[in-house]
Amino acid sequence: EAGVAQSPRYKIIEKRQSVAFWCNPISGHATLYWYQQILGQGPKLLIQFQNNGVVDDSQLPKDRFSAERLKGVDSTLKIQPAKLEDSAVYLCASSLFANLAKNIQYFGAGTRLSVL
Amino acid sequence: LAKTTQPISMDSYEGQEVNITCSHNNIATNDYITWYQQFPSQGPRFIIQGYKTKVTNEVASLFIPADRKSSTLSLPRVSLSDTAVYYCLVGDRGLRDDKIIFGKGTRLHILP
Repeated sequence: EAGVAQSPRYKIIEKRQSVAFWCNPISGHATLYWYQQILGQGPKLLIQFQNNGVVDDSQLPKDRFSAERLKGVDSTLKIQPAKLEDSAVYLCASSLFANLAKNIQYFGAGTRLSVL
Repeated sequence: LAKTTQPISMDSYEGQEVNITCSHNNIATNDYITWYQQFPSQGPRFIIQGYKTKVTNEVASLFIPADRKSSTLSLPRVSLSDTAVYYCLVGDRGLRDDKIIFGKGTRLHILP
């Protein structure tokens, strides 16, 4: 079974530039998550999709971050414009269900973003 | 809120059994306890999940006491490759919505 695919693996940009990340979840997984992980910390949920609808985006900085999952399969996360503090690893995960109680998430390898 | 508390870091030696305990005093009745492992430059990886008593798989065991206010991840006979960060998760029920929240995890360092 193929895992969660993310691209690119690495990205270096200058502040105020734009960047986009792509994620393809495990086939059949209805729920997709984007996390931000700053060095030394645990992943922080940015947005959660159930099919193509947003379930939780309470921690997404909406003035600069946006995400979409138009057909309920793959997803893109965009930052525009980037700030220095956006330097982090961006992780995508998917799960079969959104059931909180028994949730098991499968993660991609992440995209490491460096903002200079 | 079902906040979890884990040790920040632990050291052990190859061949030893390692036990990492997580406290989750406010766990909800229908919550499961899930542990993830994360290596550098990789996303977290599911290790084990349980609801009560003991669960064992090919990687680890999970011990959960009757009151479910804590859980212990047990790694038998660790090797250098078990050096990683380990996260304990339960549901986190806020006033308006429910979340799964990763804490800082436990940084396990295996020594030769």
